[in-house]
Amino acid sequence: EADIYQTPRYLVIGTGKKITLECSQTMGHDKMYWYQQDPGMELHLIHYSYGVNSTEKGDLSSESTVSRIRTEHFPLTLESARPSHTSQYLCASAGQGRRYGGYTFGSGTRLTVV
Amino acid sequence: SQQGEEDPQALSIQEGENATMNCSYKTSINNLQWYRQNSGRGLVHLILIRSNEREKHSGRLRVTLDTSKKSSSLLITASRAADTASYFCATDGDTGFQKLVFGTGTRLLVSP
Repeated sequence: EADIYQTPRYLVIGTGKKITLECSQTMGHDKMYWYQQDPGMELHLIHYSYGVNSTEKGDLSSESTVSRIRTEHFPLTLESARPSHTSQYLCASAGQGRRYGGYTFGSGTRLTVV
Repeated sequence: SQQGEEDPQALSIQEGENATMNCSYKTSINNLQWYRQNSGRGLVHLILIRSNEREKHSGRLRVTLDTSKKSSSLLITASRAADTASYFCATDGDTGFQKLVFGTGTRLLVSP
């Protein structure tokens, strides 16, 4: 069973609302990532972090922001949701060095903005 | 830009048959990984092969890597209905920072 948790699992929200997607992991991983995936499509990296107080933008431009105040927590925030933000958001984490064995993914948050 | 492309985009087979999926990538890599995604869920890590390895096995999975052709293949032997999922290859480019770039995925359907 995955040790990385995303909430909520599904979210339907109106345009203009502020939302925060939660992601927490219990593995002590330093590296965490957010990917965006439209149904049946590839994943696009939107944010990543190599540790506390470290955040970087990914390859796909996103209007969202992230924070990394604690190792285990990597929330993603949209200040003003729009229908174009409708997608699935996947959080992942990875260990360092000899602990690296690929990514562990959460179950995802499917966001619909109406 | 997209790093990996999988081929075929979709594959439909009967239980017991073997399934082969191919992945091509563009840059040099430290490692290549394969993941499975069940419908609407997160991805599950299947296997990692390093750039100095040519073949790796894990249960019914066999992965090959040809760095000269920048390609990899995933073979699932004796497939089961439970293997029905999308399969993605992912590479870390050559940044050394373990930022994975995912391919377009192969949708596998295994019929009983």
